[in-house]
Amino acid sequence: ILNVEQSPQSLHVQEGDSTNFTCSFPSSNFYALHWYRWETAKSPEALFVMTLNGDEKKKGRISATLNTKEGYSYLYIKGSQPEDSATYLCAFVSGTYKYIFGTGTRLKVLA
Amino acid sequence: ETGVTQTPRHLVMGMTNKKSLKCEQHLGHNAMYWYKQSAKKPLELMFVYNFKEQTENNSVPSRFSPECPNSSHLFLHLHTLQPEDSALYLCASSPLAGGDTDTQYFGPGTRLTVL
Repeated sequence: ILNVEQSPQSLHVQEGDSTNFTCSFPSSNFYALHWYRWETAKSPEALFVMTLNGDEKKKGRISATLNTKEGYSYLYIKGSQPEDSATYLCAFVSGTYKYIFGTGTRLKVLA
Repeated sequence: ETGVTQTPRHLVMGMTNKKSLKCEQHLGHNAMYWYKQSAKKPLELMFVYNFKEQTENNSVPSRFSPECPNSSHLFLHLHTLQPEDSALYLCASSPLAGGDTDTQYFGPGTRLTVL
């Protein structure tokens, strides 16, 4: 059974703080890793697709890194804003149609 | 506006009812997916359709019956469900099925409660 773990499960940060969280996945059978952002009552929205060890992706104040050898990816948010409040999901792809999601990290940014 | 719509957004049904969930994508994608999210559990992939053909069924009970009449529409027919089937059901689409790096575009989900 392949497990994808995300930590922490939830966190609260002050506006302006930078934060990061982790997605841990099996280090074998790696095809890709996806990050999604999911606001309450909305649809999950794709942030990044990462495929190569050492990949770094950036979109505005959000960035992500990937280490496939040790099986983890970090998502960073610089200067958090209240609109960043959401659940951040990662999905590990281990083959065709083999998407395994984590339970997410719920972020609350306090104004 | 995500380009993927789902109806209804909320559904309450009894165990003997038959109902259907509908998903429509306006993105010109060729693959569509059904996911289930139970409370405090991760998203679980249920079904995958590629060019209207079912290509994946992740051991889903037969009381869930998918239908994909064309690449833009996906249904999930429900019958004789159990209370433990209460969950959020999400639909997604992507340009290709099986593309590891293909981004999936999700609908807002249907919150299903089975009494």
